[in-house]
Amino acid sequence: SAVISQKPSRDICQRGTSLTIQCQVDSQVTMMFWYRQQPGQSLTLIATANQGSEATYESGFVIDKFPISRPNLTFSTLTVSNMSPEDSSIYLCSVGRGTTNTEAFFGQGTRLTVV
Amino acid sequence: ILNVEQSPQSLHVQEGDSTNFTCSFPSSNFYALHWYRWETAKSPEALFVMTLNGDEKKKGRISATLNTKEGYSYLYIKGSQPEDSATYLCASGGGADGLTFGKGTHLIIQP
Repeated sequence: SAVISQKPSRDICQRGTSLTIQCQVDSQVTMMFWYRQQPGQSLTLIATANQGSEATYESGFVIDKFPISRPNLTFSTLTVSNMSPEDSSIYLCSVGRGTTNTEAFFGQGTRLTVV
Repeated sequence: ILNVEQSPQSLHVQEGDSTNFTCSFPSSNFYALHWYRWETAKSPEALFVMTLNGDEKKKGRISATLNTKEGYSYLYIKGSQPEDSATYLCASGGGADGLTFGKGTHLIIQP
């Protein structure tokens, strides 16, 4: 398994500001994923972050809004920029394990409320 | 089926009763089917990862089945206990493409 430390666990932010979420893994991993869950919706993949390359964003998500850093194989950050109330969600980081990344492990999540 | 769908959305079960819920997923380009248990303020906990058609897996009182040809999986809980109360998530995919999740089944066990 993998132990993933994610912080902050929750925050209340003013609209127009930005929040950076950090994710630390207890071992080196190639791929890290960022998800969000808006109220009443599914967990949705935002982007995939590989060390040494640009993050790959899913349809509907752009780098200017959700910039991601991946400076090494154990750490990543997701920034939610210029926040609006629609960004209020739970944000989760995840890593893959197994020979083909079949298993996925998650951080504890960041519950963000934008007012 | 284009998305991962779970039913029911929520479920109240009496303590000691058994229950089950459903996950439907696209059967084309199938990679793996995942079940997670998610409690508030905690990490989603992996229950099962299933890849083979007809596969059945069991962990204590919880078991799951998989039909990749028709695109569905069932999760069963036998003899429900209050600590089983959680949201159960189903997800399809994995590998380099990440996971596609359903909205979850919110299970409440009533003493």
